[in-house]
Amino acid sequence: ELKVEQNPLFLSMQEGKNYTIYCNYSTTSDRLYWYRQDPGKSLESLFVLLSNGAVKQEGRLMASLDTKARLSTLHITAAVHDLSATYFCAVEWGSRLTFGEGTQLTVNP
Amino acid sequence: GAGVSQSPSNKVTEKGKDVELRCDPISGHTALYWYRQSLGQGLEFLIYFQGNSAPDKSGLPSDRFSAERTGGSVSTLTIQRTQQEDSAVYLCASRLTGVTEAFFGQGTRLTVV
Repeated sequence: ELKVEQNPLFLSMQEGKNYTIYCNYSTTSDRLYWYRQDPGKSLESLFVLLSNGAVKQEGRLMASLDTKARLSTLHITAAVHDLSATYFCAVEWGSRLTFGEGTQLTVNP
Repeated sequence: GAGVSQSPSNKVTEKGKDVELRCDPISGHTALYWYRQSLGQGLEFLIYFQGNSAPDKSGLPSDRFSAERTGGSVSTLTIQRTQQEDSAVYLCASRLTGVTEAFFGQGTRLTVV
């Protein structure tokens, strides 16, 4: 069974700082997705990573995938309050998308 | 429609009653997923439909849960004899086949009292 682990699960950071969220998974896959969820809302797609070495950037967020290490990272640059949300990675294996537990990010002024 | 539509958005039911949750996927999307999200938790996979293939039901937590997808479009998740532990947000997602992301609906918040 595929296991997807994120760390940290909770992250409180100051505006302007940089940080990285990690997503480790237990089996071979080259398809990984990052989502954002605001409180009381549904999931919004952020990034689609489809091959080893894939890197995608949007604004202050950058995601990468290392399929050999079974690791994806979501890097936050110069955080702003609007980035406060829960971030999920999801790994595709077989027919299903298996999600990590989520990282609850709070950006403080 | 423009996105995945779920109804109802909120449902309060008495323990022991049956409930039906509906999902209208994005037009043309052949894959459809149901997930459950308990308060403050991650997403628990329930069931996956892909075209005319037999669904992957391996995530359904008990035989009280069932789902169908008619005509390759609308899906209904049915929970029989609801229990308090069934209280959660039930999320539906659809996607094109291949290497695309899944798009999620707004969810149905189910409360069993």
